[in-house]
Amino acid sequence: EAQVTQNPRYLITVTGKKLTVTCSQNMNHEYMSWYRQDPGLGLRQIYYSMNVEVTDKGDVPEGYKVSRKEKRNFPLILESPSPNQTSLYFCASRGGSLSYNEQFFGPGTRLTVL
Amino acid sequence: AQSVTQLGSHVSVSEGALVLLRCNYSSSVPPYLFWYVQYPNQGLQLLLKYTSAATLVKGINGFEAEFKKSETSFHLTKPSAHMSDAAEYFCAVSDGTGRRALTFGSGTRLQVQP
Repeated sequence: EAQVTQNPRYLITVTGKKLTVTCSQNMNHEYMSWYRQDPGLGLRQIYYSMNVEVTDKGDVPEGYKVSRKEKRNFPLILESPSPNQTSLYFCASRGGSLSYNEQFFGPGTRLTVL
Repeated sequence: AQSVTQLGSHVSVSEGALVLLRCNYSSSVPPYLFWYVQYPNQGLQLLLKYTSAATLVKGINGFEAEFKKSETSFHLTKPSAHMSDAAEYFCAVSDGTGRRALTFGSGTRLQVQP
């Protein structure tokens, strides 16, 4: 089954404790992206990757890191989480370079930073 | 720069009534437009997209949307609401460059009353 998976689905942590949210897709997609969803703000892009070893900032990159060492994986790293990073996070992937191709979304990771 | 405005954060309709969810966009280039649906505790799923081929776009689950350039609108409609349509709906725009992908609106939560 074609899908985007994320782990963990739920995470409660404390300020300053480094964490990684994994994202994997099995569709051989070049493009992958991370979004955060906050009430009343919709989804905002954090980082995206056009292909292996090619990443770039989205609209809200502060406090986040990403890497793309393999085509299927695109982990999101919070080196020193803060309470304002409490949010619902979505990973997405898209085949090809055309922005009107469908993006496929993972199920989401709900992160709480205390 | 591009942006999306969704009028009405909450919309309530009766089962069998017309569904109308409003979306206005701003884009400096001809846009690609999308509607996504998010069911509780799930990721986003593509309902339909406009890619300049036809101004009236039909999607899944009986939804459709009409692109009106003069009004910079892309409203989502469904003739007869069903209880299963209760979800959050997001309008999104892409500038077509392929890099930054989608800019989302703040979302509209649709409630369907029996």
